[in-house]
Amino acid sequence: DTEVTQTPKHLVMGMTNKKSLKCEQHMGHRAMYWYKQKAKKPPELMFVYSYEKLSINESVPSRFSPECPNSSLLNLHLHALQPEDSALYLCASSQDWSGGQPQHFGDGTRLSIL
Amino acid sequence: ELKVEQNPLFLSMQEGKNYTIYCNYSTTSDRLYWYRQDPGKSLESLFVLLSNGAVKQEGRLMASLDTKARLSTLHITAAVHDLSATYFCAVEFHRGSTLGRLYFGRGTQLTVWP
Repeated sequence: DTEVTQTPKHLVMGMTNKKSLKCEQHMGHRAMYWYKQKAKKPPELMFVYSYEKLSINESVPSRFSPECPNSSLLNLHLHALQPEDSALYLCASSQDWSGGQPQHFGDGTRLSIL
Repeated sequence: ELKVEQNPLFLSMQEGKNYTIYCNYSTTSDRLYWYRQDPGKSLESLFVLLSNGAVKQEGRLMASLDTKARLSTLHITAAVHDLSATYFCAVEFHRGSTLGRLYFGRGTQLTVWP
């Protein structure tokens, strides 16, 4: 079991739906991340939150909208996604964003767009 | 942009044999991480290497970092089936005043057979 909890584990949605992915950690970490991973590829960074503020947006389309309500929670709001957005979405956290610490990953949400 | 190259990308080896996975990167960094990912699962942190000459060992795996050569190695000793997984190296890079982010290699898919 990982210390970063992601829900749901699987999500199937149509291109017109709105859904949200949720990530929670209780390790006191102040940096949280969203990654997208396609099959047999490395994770691609999407967003970084540091102390609940968005610090990096890797030119992600606006149909993905991150939110960090508090230091333990990270959400990814999805709207009008495309089939190519089908992937494993991983949340990670680290102690802070100064570096030198490993990121702890959740089990991911496997997203399928119909 | 920082480039991280892993090789080999695919490795099929017999139980009991030794082998090394290589991770080269293009820009100066002294922070490198190794992760393991089982099929359909999340990434598990294996090693954190934070200085030139760092060497870490855990069971049959040993990782090292040569920052001058911009090279890290993951050495497998007497492989067993349980080591079958995909292994990623990730280099932490600070661009100007930006705090560190990870750049992943493409991963090495390791299969250990009897």
